[in-house]
Amino acid sequence: NAGVTQTPKFQVLKTGQSMTLQCAQDMNHEYMSWYRQDPGMGLRLIHYSVGAGITDQGEVPNGYNVSRSTTEDFPLRLLSAAPSQTSVYFCASSYIAGRGELFFGEGSRLTVL
Amino acid sequence: QQQVKQSPQSLIVQKGGIPIINCAYENTAFDYFPWYQQFPGKGPALLIAIRPDVSEKKEGRFTISFNKSAKQFSLHIMDSQPGDSATYFCAAYRSNDYKLSFGAGTTVTVRA
Repeated sequence: NAGVTQTPKFQVLKTGQSMTLQCAQDMNHEYMSWYRQDPGMGLRLIHYSVGAGITDQGEVPNGYNVSRSTTEDFPLRLLSAAPSQTSVYFCASSYIAGRGELFFGEGSRLTVL
Repeated sequence: QQQVKQSPQSLIVQKGGIPIINCAYENTAFDYFPWYQQFPGKGPALLIAIRPDVSEKKEGRFTISFNKSAKQFSLHIMDSQPGDSATYFCAAYRSNDYKLSFGAGTTVTVRA
């Protein structure tokens, strides 16, 4: 059972470039989310989804876009990368009734030059 | 603005000691409080969780204490071991909008 799979694990971008971080889960979870982790700031919610076709903003959504066309996949798009988006990004999923008991992926480390 | 305040930022204990991590919140809409453990280079993993109508919960060597009136909760690691060295995050969940907010994290080092 793969759980939550994120790709790529590492990525370097130049300012202004766009890219997509991929996230897939095989647990049939309704809820999926993206967090960014920065030193001293914990994990901050970027966007989340409670089911296919439904997305909503978290605490720090600016500069990011998401879509949820299937239950399994929840890609995160950086529209025009900025150095402030240098971070480690985590995708997480759970059942709707999971009450915040999330399963996390291994993370994607992004550096924007 | 951090919705969940966590302290200390880091702590070091000797093997067998009891590291204590404290968290506080203001928003009374939070209705579930999980804790996560994260090892370097890995994603966070659920450790233990508590409902606000329960004052204490134990799972193995990990104990959560919850004070609803003070809006504070804490994690104790009993008989800590070097393998417990990790970063610990408290979190608070709101069922009304499915949002989970994290504290800033505490790096625990257990020395042999």
